[in-house]
Amino acid sequence: QVQLQESGPGRVKPSETLSLICTASGDSITNGHYWGWIRQPPGKGLEWIGSIFHTGSVYYNASLKSRVTISVDTSKNHFSLRLTSVTAADTAVYYCVRGGNYLNWFDPWGQGTLVTISS
Amino acid sequence: QSALTQPASVSGSPGQSITISCTGTSSDIGGYNYVSWYQQHSGKAPKLMIYDVTKRPSGVSNRFSGSKSGNTASLTISGLQAEDEADYFCCSYADGTTHVMFGGGTKLTV
Repeated sequence: QVQLQESGPGRVKPSETLSLICTASGDSITNGHYWGWIRQPPGKGLEWIGSIFHTGSVYYNASLKSRVTISVDTSKNHFSLRLTSVTAADTAVYYCVRGGNYLNWFDPWGQGTLVTISS
Repeated sequence: QSALTQPASVSGSPGQSITISCTGTSSDIGGYNYVSWYQQHSGKAPKLMIYDVTKRPSGVSNRFSGSKSGNTASLTISGLQAEDEADYFCCSYADGTTHVMFGGGTKLTV
């Protein structure tokens, strides 16, 4: 079955750019689903960041859209997240997910990676 | 945009049934049959339990069921077991530039 694994730095300095990669195994990212990112600040709820189709069609959370870029690399079967101008409010566990074609479900989820924004 | 509204906590005894509500608007829950529910045990990634309001993914116990009436969706867990103790989040597709909304989460104590 499909498995997702996030990778990237665990600490980013304020005002810099957060970059994460999600590698998929057991399924091709060209296989007709959306692939995206969801985050969860410590002790808080879930926030959808955005989702991308392998053709490049992408949807972003309006509140983050000015700072977020999600891209896909089909040759490596992975997709990426870039979040610019980070602040302490961006400290969270970042999950990568596979999504339904109507953004109607998210499954599976990666194990998550904690990114702390701190100098 | 505001999150979908869930009760902060619910509790029940083993064997009982509980229902968690999730209230939105006609722009999200009320407008689409794209409600999903996620179970999250402490320190773990969320797990899909219900999608498209009522559908259960393969492998999810039939003790979990979903429904919707107007702008409110509900998750019912019957025959409560200790392993059901977790946080539960609802999620809905939303129109406009919002696209996806989550509820604030409900802590279930068994």
